[in-house]
Amino acid sequence: GNSVTQMEGPVTLSEEAFLTINCTYTATGYPSLFWYVQYPGEGLQLLLKATKADDKGSNKGFEATYRKETTSFHLEKGSVQVSDSAVYFCALSDRSGGSYIPTFGRGTSLIVHP
Amino acid sequence: DTGVSQDPRHKITKRGQNVTFRCDPISEHNRLYWYRQTLGQGPEFLTYFQNEAQLEKSRLLSDRFSAERPKGSFSTLEIQRTEQGDSAMYLCASSPQRLAGGPDTQYFGPGTRLTVL
Repeated sequence: GNSVTQMEGPVTLSEEAFLTINCTYTATGYPSLFWYVQYPGEGLQLLLKATKADDKGSNKGFEATYRKETTSFHLEKGSVQVSDSAVYFCALSDRSGGSYIPTFGRGTSLIVHP
Repeated sequence: DTGVSQDPRHKITKRGQNVTFRCDPISEHNRLYWYRQTLGQGPEFLTYFQNEAQLEKSRLLSDRFSAERPKGSFSTLEIQRTEQGDSAMYLCASSPQRLAGGPDTQYFGPGTRLTVL
């Protein structure tokens, strides 16, 4: 079956530090990969996505590259802000069968201090 | 606001009672998903609709759970004879068929937090 493994949190950083949140996956097909972000008290929202190998998704200074050879989709940001404090979920969506039902990781909490 | 909405946002009930949650997806999104999320976990898939047809159900969806999407618009999730283990956040998401983002991009509502005493 499909699964997503994320590094455990919380990740605590000072403002302007470099961020990496690791994500690896297993999938029976050829999935699309996603990062979703959940700010306190809000629903999940799509941060970025990549649909094929070597694609790079980017948004709001965050980036992640679809690495098929290492089955990874690590999230990076060069300089984090306090407003980036949230829970980040890595997910995959298997396109086989047309249902696109995603599998989510457990989430990684990011805390950024001023 | 044209996002996904859920009602109620919070529900406290006693064990054994029935509860019903509502989800209004983004208009023209033909796919609608229900998830359950517990503390420290990612969303777990419960069920999925394409228009009014319920196409897939997770093993997590016991026979106490039922979901409907009449007319392919809003959806309801009912839990009968609630148990303390049902306490969780219930999330709804919708996705488009062909519009920007494609069918695999999910748009989530804020969730309904259920507490079973």
